[in-house]
Amino acid sequence: DQQVKQNSPSLSVQEGRISILNCDYTNSMFDYFLWYKKYPAEGPTFLISISSIKDKNEDGRFTVFLNKSAKHLSLHIVPSQPGDSAVYFCAAGAISSNTGKLIFGQGTTLQVKP
Amino acid sequence: DVKVTQSSRYLVKRTGEKVFLECVQDMDHENMFWYRQDPGLGLRLIYFSYDVKMKEKGDIPEGYSVSREKKERFSLILESASTNQTSMYLCASSPSRQDHYEQYFGPGTRLTVT
Repeated sequence: DQQVKQNSPSLSVQEGRISILNCDYTNSMFDYFLWYKKYPAEGPTFLISISSIKDKNEDGRFTVFLNKSAKHLSLHIVPSQPGDSAVYFCAAGAISSNTGKLIFGQGTTLQVKP
Repeated sequence: DVKVTQSSRYLVKRTGEKVFLECVQDMDHENMFWYRQDPGLGLRLIYFSYDVKMKEKGDIPEGYSVSREKKERFSLILESASTNQTSMYLCASSPSRQDHYEQYFGPGTRLTVT
């Protein structure tokens, strides 16, 4: 039972254009969401997060949108740069769990072409 | 600056061997986690711990055990390694605060079981 799904295994965009990565979840108890970026042979690094009381959070070139009714979130990267090429994971958690446990999606490999 | 270290970057073991993967964090975090990352499957939680000597099963605990004798150290044990445990193993930690959900990851251990 995949509670967090990233249905696109890969995405390729041109440098300077927008990258949009999508994530769907099924558990309505999730109330905070995070995006991580992972380069090969390194651990994931935190990118941006959003809580369920918001529908948008922005940090520089990165914006996360949350649509609670659709149980969908997306990460927008504008403008995309070659250094953004990596695997992106979305993750979700529930405050009520009190454990800090996160459920991760399968990941989307982003390639930004110069 | 949070630092999570893992004992080995690369490890090769034989089928049936007992394998120990060590993880140490230096930020006094209460929560620690072990994941494995496989292509197309994302990060899957093996075990986690929210306090010293406390442990809980994640989504795929079979074939693994853990130990947390000190707050800063969380060990993953493969009792009898099998080829299907060949994977990237990632350790993470997080504070036990309801306003901070980010997990900090180590660099990972690429384990090959032959």
